[in-house]
This record gives sequence, C-alpha cells and structure tokens, in this order.
Amino acid sequence: NAGVTQTPKFRVLKTGQSMTLLCAQDMNHEYMYWYRQDPGMGLRLIHYSVGEGTTAKGEVPDGYNVSRLKKQNFLLGLESAAPSQTSVYFCASSPLMRGTNTEAFFGQGTRLTVV
Amino acid sequence: ELKVEQNPLFLSMQEGKNYTIYCNYSTTSDRLYWYRQDPGKSLESLFVLLSNGAVKQEGRLMASLDTKARLSTLHITAAVHDLSATYFCAVDIITQGGSEKLVFGKGMKLTVNP
Repeated sequence: NAGVTQTPKFRVLKTGQSMTLLCAQDMNHEYMYWYRQDPGMGLRLIHYSVGEGTTAKGEVPDGYNVSRLKKQNFLLGLESAAPSQTSVYFCASSPLMRGTNTEAFFGQGTRLTVV
Repeated sequence: ELKVEQNPLFLSMQEGKNYTIYCNYSTTSDRLYWYRQDPGKSLESLFVLLSNGAVKQEGRLMASLDTKARLSTLHITAAVHDLSATYFCAVDIITQGGSEKLVFGKGMKLTVNP
C-alpha cells in the first residue's frame, strides 16, 4: 500500500547544482501538488498538475520547474539551487475533490539543504 | 489572493483542558480540510468538511465549518499529551481556469503538558 512516495528523502546540494525530486503515486489520482514547508510559513504551493501533461504555477514557482509526463509521476526540478531553496518539500496527490468526500494524500517529504 | 489564517499559531495547554482553535479564510469555499503533522513527519488527514454547518468528531477533536463566516473551528476536549502536534487547515478553491488547488494556513503548534 505505497500511496505517495517521494525520492530522495534527504539531499544536500551545493549552490548552483541541479536536481530533480520524484513523486510517484499509485492511487490513479488526477491531481498532484508540490509544496515547500518552511518554519513559520506553513505549506506553500510551488506547482501543481490537474492531469497527465498539464502543470500550473502555485504561490512560489520561481526557481522550480515541473513535469507530469505520466499520470503517476510528478517531477520537481531545481535548475540552479540557491540557499533560499533549503526546505522540506512535500508532494501530494488527490482525485478530483469536488463531488467526493476525499482529501489530498501526502508523501513523507524530502529534506533539501543547499549550501 | 486567498489567505488562510490560523489562530493561534502556538498553543501550550495542560492535560484535561479544553480549547478551540480557529481557521479563517478570505474567499468563497465550501470545502475545508484539517491535517495533523508530528515533528519530522508527513501530514495526516483528520477531517474533511464539505458543506456549511458540517461537523465531524474523532476522539477528543471536533471540527466544524461555517462557510458564510468563512470560518472553521477545531475544538479540543480534555487534551492529552498525544495530541501534541502541528495542526493545519487547508481550503480547496477553484482557480480561474476551473481547476482545484489546496491552500494551507501556517499551522498551529500544540503542546499539551502533563
């Protein structure tokens, strides 16, 4: 019963390096989200996707890119990491919530440190 | 721009006491979610509130939604140490493009002391 799986769980990057965070869900959900969590800031939406091949910007998209080539996967890319991107990143997925009584399900998080 | 505000952001209370925490939001929505997060862990769904007047209870927690006031409350009854965690509310909104997205409050860190 995997649910939402994030890879990797921890990563340290040097400023200017690039990396990709992978989110995989096995619940056939349409929606997928990337959030970042910083102390005192709650969860802020970076990008989201409403279906395979679609992406949209959230509240804090600058410095990140995303792709949803397959329905089950949502990738978050950092092209040139900056210390301000040090954060805990959470992926979530949900079905179309309107008309249902379900919610979004979260992965375990990726702790990223940029030095 | 949608704002989701939680009040208070930090709460320290004694075991056995009652307390209510609040979640206000600034735009029309009839769906609100409460999540719990333990330190270093992911978010766990507590309640899904789908309409005005919705009330749900689980153990010592009871959540309600007033969509006209754009307010949700989370009431804690006879707190126990195991309730210590951070509690988030999240509002489901429809974007201009017709898609949904979840917007979170900053979270309320609850500490229950013996």
